[in-house]
Amino acid sequence: DAGITQSPRYKITETGRQVTLMCHQTWSHSYMFWYRQDLGHGLRLIYYSAAADITDKGEVPDGYVVSRSKTENFPLTLESATRSQTSVYFCASSESPWDEQFFGPGTRLTVL
Amino acid sequence: SQQGEEDPQALSIQEGENATMNCSYKTSINNLQWYRQNSGRGLVHLILIRSNEREKHSGRLRVTLDTSKKSSSLLITASRAADTASYFCATDTGNQFYFGTGTSLTVIP
Repeated sequence: DAGITQSPRYKITETGRQVTLMCHQTWSHSYMFWYRQDLGHGLRLIYYSAAADITDKGEVPDGYVVSRSKTENFPLTLESATRSQTSVYFCASSESPWDEQFFGPGTRLTVL
Repeated sequence: SQQGEEDPQALSIQEGENATMNCSYKTSINNLQWYRQNSGRGLVHLILIRSNEREKHSGRLRVTLDTSKKSSSLLITASRAADTASYFCATDTGNQFYFGTGTSLTVIP
């Protein structure tokens, strides 16, 4: 099916563990984005990628690592999860930075 | 600091009324977009307005942009219960993308 998918949809982990959130899109969009959504803050950009092997920091990149070896995948890794990283994470893609972004369904992450 | 902020934070109207929400931002932008989010779901794009445009329409949506005031407004006419959602503005500054904190709209049938 065409679209953008995220996995897992729900994840509970413990402080200090490494967690990887997956994002996959089938449109071959050049741009991909990771956001976190927290009450009172709206969505905040963590990282984005303009193409395979090109990534840039967003507003809140600390504690996160991304990679993009293939155009269709953009995994987000929390190397050592902290409670402050409990959030809903959204992945998005777009053809260009000025086009509409298409969002995945989100991953709800809880760090205990 | 937040690049985009919506006002009001929450809005409750009767079905059939118009809903207006505003977005203010701090730095120069290339374009501004509005998105809708239904509870527990991902965001859905509504409309994009470029920095050299002043007004844009799409169905029951009307967006205005005033770059001198660094503000935008989204008008939803003849609202429906299905319009109940959170609405976010998003700005593209060229190398960063910012979403506002959102306006929660409730349309009462």
